[in-house]
Amino acid sequence: GEDVEQSLFLSVREGDSSVINCTYTDSSSTYLYWYKQEPGAGLQLLTYIFSNMDMKQDQRLTVLLNKKDKHLSLRIADTQTGDSAIYFCAESIVRDDKIIFGKGTRLHILP
Amino acid sequence: DGGITQSPKYLFRKEGQNVTLSCEQNLNHDAMYWYRQDPGQGLRLIYYSQIVNDFQKGDIAEGYSVSREKKESFPLTVTSAQKNPTAFYLCASSTLEKGGYTFGSGTRLTVV
Repeated sequence: GEDVEQSLFLSVREGDSSVINCTYTDSSSTYLYWYKQEPGAGLQLLTYIFSNMDMKQDQRLTVLLNKKDKHLSLRIADTQTGDSAIYFCAESIVRDDKIIFGKGTRLHILP
Repeated sequence: DGGITQSPKYLFRKEGQNVTLSCEQNLNHDAMYWYRQDPGQGLRLIYYSQIVNDFQKGDIAEGYSVSREKKESFPLTVTSAQKNPTAFYLCASSTLEKGGYTFGSGTRLTVV
């Protein structure tokens, strides 16, 4: 069945790079997404990658896609205290017109 | 500015009462969704609607009901049949052409 897996917690020192990993199961996904959720708020679309791409860079964010292994990662360079949030990985399921979300990775920034 | 609005932000209800959460969007999106979020559980899909006057059950529809009489609006009613209604509820919308959801800011429902 459809499933998106990601680790629940990650701690990173301020100024270091954060790498959040995700695996998905549906090989027909067209888009893969990263969302950010700050405390008490909704989800904000951070970035997305089309399934025929390997990499996408947007300022401090780098998304890497390994389609063979169904592995997606989000790298945040020079992590700041404002990056503290829950990050959700998600894949689009074309046949159902739905998006499947992972459970989210809580990023904690150490001083 | 276009967006999706959920109201209220916080809602308190007594056990046994039905309560309706509002979700309105002015993005001209076709599809709308309701999710429930509990700590450590991620997002769980309650109901979704891809077109006016039509909606489908998600993974945890029991104890909930929805309507889609207008494209802009997708209210969620939490009924007394929902065993554990205290949670954070998120509404989202999307165009079916591209995917990617726009989320509201959520409603935190507490049943006492």
